[in-house]
Amino acid sequence: AQSVTQLGSHVSVSEGALVLLRCNYSSSVPPYLFWYVQYPNQGLQLLLKYTTGATLVKGINGFEAEFKKSETSFHLTKPSAHMSDAAEYFCAVSLGGGADGLTFGKGTHLIIQP
Amino acid sequence: EPEVTQTPSHQVTQMGQEVILRCVPISNHLYFYWYRQILGQKVEFLVSFYNNEISEKSEIFDDQFSVERPDGSNFTLKIRSTKLEDSAMYFCASSVVPLAGVAGELFFGEGSRLTVL
Repeated sequence: AQSVTQLGSHVSVSEGALVLLRCNYSSSVPPYLFWYVQYPNQGLQLLLKYTTGATLVKGINGFEAEFKKSETSFHLTKPSAHMSDAAEYFCAVSLGGGADGLTFGKGTHLIIQP
Repeated sequence: EPEVTQTPSHQVTQMGQEVILRCVPISNHLYFYWYRQILGQKVEFLVSFYNNEISEKSEIFDDQFSVERPDGSNFTLKIRSTKLEDSAMYFCASSVVPLAGVAGELFFGEGSRLTVL
């Protein structure tokens, strides 16, 4: 069965600093991997996704993530944090095998300090 | 920009009552989903729906849950007899293509918070 682990329920960085949100997954089949962001009182919005091909994936708002099969990781990064990045971030893996749902991690709350 | 809309935003109900959560997916989307998030826990997949039938469902989606698309626009989740543990945020999502195979993008609504007393 697929699973996703997000290390750190809360991550705090200073404005302008590097953002690193960690995600490790387990999957019995080659995974599709996703990062979603949830701003307060809003729905989940796709940041980026990995399906096949290039392992470094660029998303919206300056975020990117790198798929590392050997480490079963898909960490999310942004070189310079902005106050507007404060939100909840969810890593997810597709169920695979033709199934149609996503397995989400517990989420990481990103706090940006001025 | 097209968006998925959900109603109500918050519903409080008594244990044992029936609840219907409504969703209007993006108009040209063909695949529809319900997820839920119990406070402090993961977002969990409930069910996916395509061509007027359930395509996948999780263990959570037992006989007390049902989904339907009663007309060309609404997609509903019914909980027949609510339990305390059904208290959660319920998210509807839709996509043009499915996740499986081509990894379609899911567009989520803002969620409906259900509180069962």
